[in-house]
Amino acid sequence: ETGVTQTPRHLVMGMTNKKSLKCEQHLGHNAMYWYKQSAKKPLELMFVYSLEERVENNSVPSRFSPECPNSSHLFLHLHTLQPEDSALYLCASSQRRTGSAQPQHFGDGTRLSIL
Amino acid sequence: KQEVTQIPAALSVPEGENLVLNCSFTDSAIYNLQWFRQDPGKGLTSLLLIQSSQREQTSGRLNASLDKSSGRSTLYIAASQPGDSATYLCAVAGDGAGSYQLTFGKGTKLSVIP
Repeated sequence: ETGVTQTPRHLVMGMTNKKSLKCEQHLGHNAMYWYKQSAKKPLELMFVYSLEERVENNSVPSRFSPECPNSSHLFLHLHTLQPEDSALYLCASSQRRTGSAQPQHFGDGTRLSIL
Repeated sequence: KQEVTQIPAALSVPEGENLVLNCSFTDSAIYNLQWFRQDPGKGLTSLLLIQSSQREQTSGRLNASLDKSSGRSTLYIAASQPGDSATYLCAVAGDGAGSYQLTFGKGTKLSVIP
């Protein structure tokens, strides 16, 4: 039990489909993150939701759209994706406190394949 | 822009050996540095977190050091075991408002041979 649960674990979709990735954290944290992990590249931070503030990496295409309805749930909505978007998408959460750093806890990811 | 480099990219050692994984970063203005472990098909597990004001952290057979001024960190694994086989990732959190945003290295893939 990692405390951070991602569904689905695997997703295959065509370029014209619309799908959503879901993340749920059971740790009482106040910040959640989406990362992309591609082969032979470092993990790339896509979006952060922290204390109801959204921070995003400006290089993330608009075909990725995050949603954070509450502090425990995070979604990544996908539409008209490209083959290069095939990757492992990881969700993480952490507790943000002023003056101290807390480790991020990760889910097991969704392996996304674009046909 | 912060860049994190991990050397070597892959490492194979016999069981029982002590080993060192290296991490370097280009911008020394960091809030903290974290070491993670990733098993195949899994997410990341946090191993050690070193605050920028600290020099090292220890957990069991693991010891991580931080030399902020030179932009380097090492992860020392004592008496390696086959169960230590995994990819080890180093990540730094920037200073200031983005202190929770991590920049990762590509990782070192460790294989411990029985």
